[in-house]
Amino acid sequence: DAGVIQSPRHEVTEMGQEVTLRCKPISGHNSLFWYRQTMMRGLELLIYFNNNVPIDDSGMPEDRFSAKMPNASFSTLKIQPSEPRDSAVYFCASSLERTTLNTEAFFGQGTRLTVV
Amino acid sequence: EDQVTQSPEALRLQEGESSSLNCSYTVSGLRGLFWYRQDPGKGPEFLFTLYSAGEEKEKERLKATLTKKESFLHITAPKPEDSATYLCAVQGTTLTDSWGKLQFGAGTQVVVTP
Repeated sequence: DAGVIQSPRHEVTEMGQEVTLRCKPISGHNSLFWYRQTMMRGLELLIYFNNNVPIDDSGMPEDRFSAKMPNASFSTLKIQPSEPRDSAVYFCASSLERTTLNTEAFFGQGTRLTVV
Repeated sequence: EDQVTQSPEALRLQEGESSSLNCSYTVSGLRGLFWYRQDPGKGPEFLFTLYSAGEEKEKERLKATLTKKESFLHITAPKPEDSATYLCAVQGTTLTDSWGKLQFGAGTQVVVTP
């Protein structure tokens, strides 16, 4: 398996623009997570999905952030409008979770977002 | 609220010089403690999961141990390729929470010089 695939790897945008980050989880995994990493706050969970349904979005910083998972193989994280303080590395991770089996979360390579 | 504190923040080792990293945690009840390795420009890479006090796991030069309040990652005779940031994370006892809903520490940056 190719692992968790994120695109783009790097994104530079101007303040006020819409940004869309994309993620393809590992095939067969049923949970998907969006994390954000900054020097100041480290790795923080933004939102996670189970079986394509958003379960906990308490980490989403504000209404400018939204995430969708239209099917088991694709998710997006959108920021509209973007602000310089959104600059960070955004990671997507996936795992397999069932009653009798849980795997660890596997992370993608991340998207480095710079908002100028 | 779950809290994870890692120390030291940074560690510089000579090749072959063994050392330990610390991860102190505060959770209402631990479901799992995870160690990840992160190389620059890459995502965290899973190393170990520990479930209960007294448990130990090993992988090559790394050994992770767990007590009721902290975990240690021991690096034995490190090599330059062990240079990375090592992240500790906990999953608390909110049983309805996903296994992947993790509270991460800030990490320990390890540099091993030849």
